[in-house]
Amino acid sequence: AQSVTQLDSHVSVSEGTPVLLRCNYSSSYSPSLFWYVQHPNKGLQLLLKYTSAATLVKGINGFEAEFKKSETSFHLTKPSAHMSDAAEYFCVVTPLNFNKFYFGSGTKLNVKP
Amino acid sequence: GAGVSQSPSNKVTEKGKDVELRCDPISGHTALYWYRQSLGQGLEFLIYFQGNSAPDKSGLPSDRFSAERTGGSVSTLTIQRTQQEDSAVYLCASSRIASGGADTQYFGPGTRLTVL
Repeated sequence: AQSVTQLDSHVSVSEGTPVLLRCNYSSSYSPSLFWYVQHPNKGLQLLLKYTSAATLVKGINGFEAEFKKSETSFHLTKPSAHMSDAAEYFCVVTPLNFNKFYFGSGTKLNVKP
Repeated sequence: GAGVSQSPSNKVTEKGKDVELRCDPISGHTALYWYRQSLGQGLEFLIYFQGNSAPDKSGLPSDRFSAERTGGSVSTLTIQRTQQEDSAVYLCASSRIASGGADTQYFGPGTRLTVL
């Protein structure tokens, strides 16, 4: 069975401080993993994806995520938050060779000035 | 190039009426997905089309929901006898199918459905 757990529904950080959004997955097969961002009243945009190549994946806007198989985690990080990062973030898993995507429930990131 | 487009962007309807939502995927993308995002919720998978294969309808919440994809391109999601709980943003996504499985999904802007 496949599932995604985003451990925090809300995260609040100050501008310029690090961001950590947590994601754990379960998958019966080698997974592909994605992070999407959704700004208010905007569509979903791909931030980054892991597809069994390098375990540290760099995405857009300074975000990166590390695939840790032993911990079944794919946490999203950014060294220094910007006000424009305030949005909702979704972790997504799809088992390799399958074509169905499983979304986490989302984490709302608030960035304080 | 053009992204995924959806129409209408907003739809207000009365309870009991039927609605049709349209999705135009990216040209050349063989996979097409419909999701529903209710207020404050994550994405709920509804249905998946891949090429000429039978669609995966496992996420449709009731038999009032149906979808079709004509000519492997445009898709229409139909909700019959709408209920207030159907109010949500309906998102469409398309992707290529790479040799190893699913490729990145590209999402449309969504249709916001309000059932009064």
